[in-house]
Amino acid sequence: AQSVSQHNHHVILSEAASLELGCNYSYGGTVNLFWYVQYPGQHLQLLLKYFSGDPLVKGIKGFEAEFIKSKFSFNLRKPSVQWSDTAEYFCAVKKGGKLIFGQGTELSVKP
Amino acid sequence: DTAVSQTPKYLVTQMGNDKSIKCEQNLGHDTMYWYKQDSKKFLKIMFSYNNKELIINETVPNRFSPKSPDKAHLNLHINSLELGDSAVYFCASSQDTWVQSPLHFGNGTRLTVT
Repeated sequence: AQSVSQHNHHVILSEAASLELGCNYSYGGTVNLFWYVQYPGQHLQLLLKYFSGDPLVKGIKGFEAEFIKSKFSFNLRKPSVQWSDTAEYFCAVKKGGKLIFGQGTELSVKP
Repeated sequence: DTAVSQTPKYLVTQMGNDKSIKCEQNLGHDTMYWYKQDSKKFLKIMFSYNNKELIINETVPNRFSPKSPDKAHLNLHINSLELGDSAVYFCASSQDTWVQSPLHFGNGTRLTVT
């Protein structure tokens, strides 16, 4: 079945560590890719999106993601995390009018 | 101003009851959605409306009935609530159905069925 997979369920980092969260999708053709963040007790907010062009996209709060078509991947990165980055991160693909989410990755940043 | 607002924020009710969740967006968007987030944080689309017309209806029990009186509102009515309906329900909107339109989410309604 077509899906969006986030292989890291829970990531624990210390402040200033570098972050990379994996996202793979299994949809063919043109894909539109998103990363959303959900801070504790809050709604989902858009971090960044990729439609076409430069495969390295920059988002808010120092996040970036790289689209690698051959690997069907759209990994999220941040060079140096902060305690305030503690949240749930969701990768998503928009297909057929639907935004289809991965399972989410919980990021805990220790001060 | 809250762009996508849902009420209530919390809803605790007993099995068998009927309840409604309201959603309003002031972004001028044409498309609205309901998503369900289960206890494992997994988000799944339930419904989508474009200009008051139902365009997506995932395999959701017919106890769930969305209603869109106008394109700024999408309410969710649930009949005969079951324990498995306990979840956080998120309303969202997007400019249109174009694949590149990002979704804007409300703060969620945490439904607990006892």
